Parts: sequence; C-alpha cells; structure tokens
Amino acid sequence: GDSVTQMEGPVTLSEEAFLTINCTYTATGYPSLFWYVQYPGEGLQLLLKATKADDKGSNKGFEATYRKETTSFHLEKGSVQVSDSAVYFCALGNTGGFKTIFGAGTRLFVKA
Amino acid sequence: NAGVTQTPKFQVLKTGQSMTLQCAQDMNHNSMYWYRQDPGMGLRLIYYSASEGTTDKGEVPNGYNVSRLNKREFSLRLESAAPSQTSVYFCASRLSWADNTEAFFGQGTRLTVV
Repeated sequence: GDSVTQMEGPVTLSEEAFLTINCTYTATGYPSLFWYVQYPGEGLQLLLKATKADDKGSNKGFEATYRKETTSFHLEKGSVQVSDSAVYFCALGNTGGFKTIFGAGTRLFVKA
Repeated sequence: NAGVTQTPKFQVLKTGQSMTLQCAQDMNHNSMYWYRQDPGMGLRLIYYSASEGTTDKGEVPNGYNVSRLNKREFSLRLESAAPSQTSVYFCASRLSWADNTEAFFGQGTRLTVV
C-alpha cells in the first residue's frame, strides 16, 4: 500500500541555518505530495504542495520538489527562524482514494 | 473565518465512560475526517465521510463510532473509553473526495482516559 517515510527528529538548528527534512514515498499511480506544519497547540495547516513530477511547491521560504525518479519530496529552507519551530508532516494523496497518508512528523527546534 | 471547529479542547474521562467529540466546518466541504495523533506515530485515520450520508472506517476504527449529522457536522463517539484511547484527536475537512486537495484541520481535542 501507499506509505510515507520521513526523517526522525527532533532536528535542532541555530537561527539562519539551512534546513532539510527528508521525505520519501511509495505509491501507485500519480499522487500529490504535501507538507503540513503544526505549530504548538494548533492543528495542522498546509505549508506547500506539488501535484505532479518535477513540480516545486514553495511558501514562506520553504521549498520542496516532487522527484518521481527518487520518489522523494524533501523540504528545504535556506535560513530558518525561531518562529519555524514546529512539527512538519509529509503527506501523500492519491486521486481516486479518500485517504491522505501522513508521515510520522519531524519536530524542528530553532535556537536563537 | 472559523474553518473547522472542534469541541471540547480538553477532556478527562474515566475508563468506561462515554463521550462525543464534535466537529463542524463552515467551508461547504464535502469530505470530513477524524484522526488521532500519538507520539512517534503521526496521524492515523479513524473514520471518514466522503460525502454527506456516507461514513467509512479508516486505519484504526475499533472503539469508535461516527455520525455525519449534516454537511457541516461530523461527530466521533467513544462508547466505553479505554486508556489506549488517550490521544489528541483532530477533525479535518476537504472540499472534495479527491485526495489531492488541501485538508483543513481543527485545533484538536486532547483526551486523557484514566
């Protein structure tokens, strides 16, 4: 079945450091890929998405490119801020299915 | 913009008690979902409703029941709470059944069963 694997956390970085959170997937068909972010005490909210191979999703300085050849959708940001501290979830959605598959989440701590 | 509203935000139950978690969305979405979030396990789907009038089991439905009361509301019921149901519960909605659209989440209900 479909699945999402993302790197375990927590990830601790200093402010202005470069961020990469790895995400790989297994899926049939042509899924859409998402990154959701969960700030402390809140629900998940969409950060970015890509709907087909080679698409790049971007938002708030975060980027991720849909790589079909490596079945990956890694999240990157060039310079993190303390306010980016949160849990990040990689997710997969398949058309024709009703269920989005979420990764386990990666907690990011950014130190000032 | 209210989006997805869940009540209550916190709840403590004794083993064997029952309760209903309420969820309402004001975005005219067709599909609604209940997830539980446990440390190290991410989000697991409990039940979903692809459209008004339908409900289906997700990955972890045992011990839960749901009702799609109307297009706006989707409730989750625990008939006899167990400590294993201690978790954070999230309701979500999506415009259509097509899974490549964005999901909108409520703020969650933190449930403790003692």
